[in-house]
Amino acid sequence: EIVMTQSPATLSVSPGERATLSCRASQSVSSNLAWYQQKPGQAPRLLIYGASTRATSIPARFSGSGSGTEFTLTISSLQSEDFAVYYCQQYNNWPSWTFGLGTKVEI
Amino acid sequence: QVQLQESGPGLVKPSETLSLTCTVSGGSISSYYWSWIRQPPGKGLECIGYISYSGSTNYNPSLKSRATISVDTSKNQFSLKLSSVTAADTAVFFCARITPHDDTWGMYDYWGQGTLVTVSS
Repeated sequence: EIVMTQSPATLSVSPGERATLSCRASQSVSSNLAWYQQKPGQAPRLLIYGASTRATSIPARFSGSGSGTEFTLTISSLQSEDFAVYYCQQYNNWPSWTFGLGTKVEI
Repeated sequence: QVQLQESGPGLVKPSETLSLTCTVSGGSISSYYWSWIRQPPGKGLECIGYISYSGSTNYNPSLKSRATISVDTSKNQFSLKLSSVTAADTAVFFCARITPHDDTWGMYDYWGQGTLVTVSS
């Protein structure tokens, strides 16, 4: 099973600041990597797929990069609605597409 | 707009079988893959398995063959059965649609709101 490691576990930032979230895979997943945002009591929302392609209706302040084993999600200027938990997910290998444990972005 | 809605009992006794159904509206259940994901309280996300539009299935090996996913195209629904449940299976269960990207399946683009299932006597 491919293990996805996210860092940091918690990121404290102020509105308007830039946030950089990291995700590392235990083996190469090519560009088959997605990022999701989850707010309390809600389902995850797809932000990025293919490591760098924004999903429909996702604001341009969200960007993804990386390939192989190292990936980054950048939020260029944090808005109040961006405070949430962010998960990366690899879908390169079955059995079991796997998620990271998440990064909580807080004020 | 595609919408997914989970339904089923919120409380299941230990050793019994958990059964959930996901109803898909706003689009056909054909031509996509469909999946169940669970999230224990305060924890991360785990893919339980998926079913393809052709009916083939794949499951997370960690569930040790306890999971079964099926689809009813006439009702635009797919279902999950998880047998021999224990307290460790207590979680919010999400159903989700899987969309291909560059011929690779695996990204979840639509999700249900989730339903909490508690395993307790």
